[in-house]
Amino acid sequence: GQNIDQPTEMTATEGAIVQINCTYQTSGFNGLFWYQQHAGEAPTFLSYNVLDGLEEKGRFSSFLSRSKGYSYLLLKELQMKDSASYLCAVTDSNYQLIWGAGTKLIIKP
Amino acid sequence: DGGITQSPKYLFRKEGQNVTLSCEQNLNHDAMYWYRQDPGQGLRLIYYSQIVNDFQKGDIAEGYSVSREKKESFPLTVTSAQKNPTAFYLCASSIQGDQIYEQYFGPGTRLTVT
Repeated sequence: GQNIDQPTEMTATEGAIVQINCTYQTSGFNGLFWYQQHAGEAPTFLSYNVLDGLEEKGRFSSFLSRSKGYSYLLLKELQMKDSASYLCAVTDSNYQLIWGAGTKLIIKP
Repeated sequence: DGGITQSPKYLFRKEGQNVTLSCEQNLNHDAMYWYRQDPGQGLRLIYYSQIVNDFQKGDIAEGYSVSREKKESFPLTVTSAQKNPTAFYLCASSIQGDQIYEQYFGPGTRLTVT
């Protein structure tokens, strides 16, 4: 079966760094997306990785290891507005997105 | 401003009634999607459409129906056959459905059936 695992909830302090992990087992792999979703709102695109390595985009970076079926999203200089759920999604061999349940990130002052 | 609109944001219905959720996009995207989001679960695909007048079932299509008569519109009907219709429904679109593009989401409709 297809499976994506993420921690359910994480807590971090304003100004700190947090790493949100995602492991996946899917039928085929055509890339991995990270989305941010504030409570009751639509998910918004953060990053896309298809090759191994780190992609940096401002305060956010995303890493992929295809051989390990593993990705992480790194958030630096955390701000209160970063409190949200972070969704990991993998594109399978049929170009369909398989979604993880999301990680709720709580930022404390 | 281009984007995806869904209305209404909150919808209440009695059990046994069909209800239609609207989704409109002005991004000129070919592909459109309907997802359902329940607490503690990932987004689950209900239906998707890669082109006008064509659509395919997703993982949980039972109890739902869609139409794609116009490129801009992809309404979802939740029928009385859907056993647990109360959920947050998200519509999305992407440039094309058979290649890898990010999906853009509408604000969602929270449906409550009692």
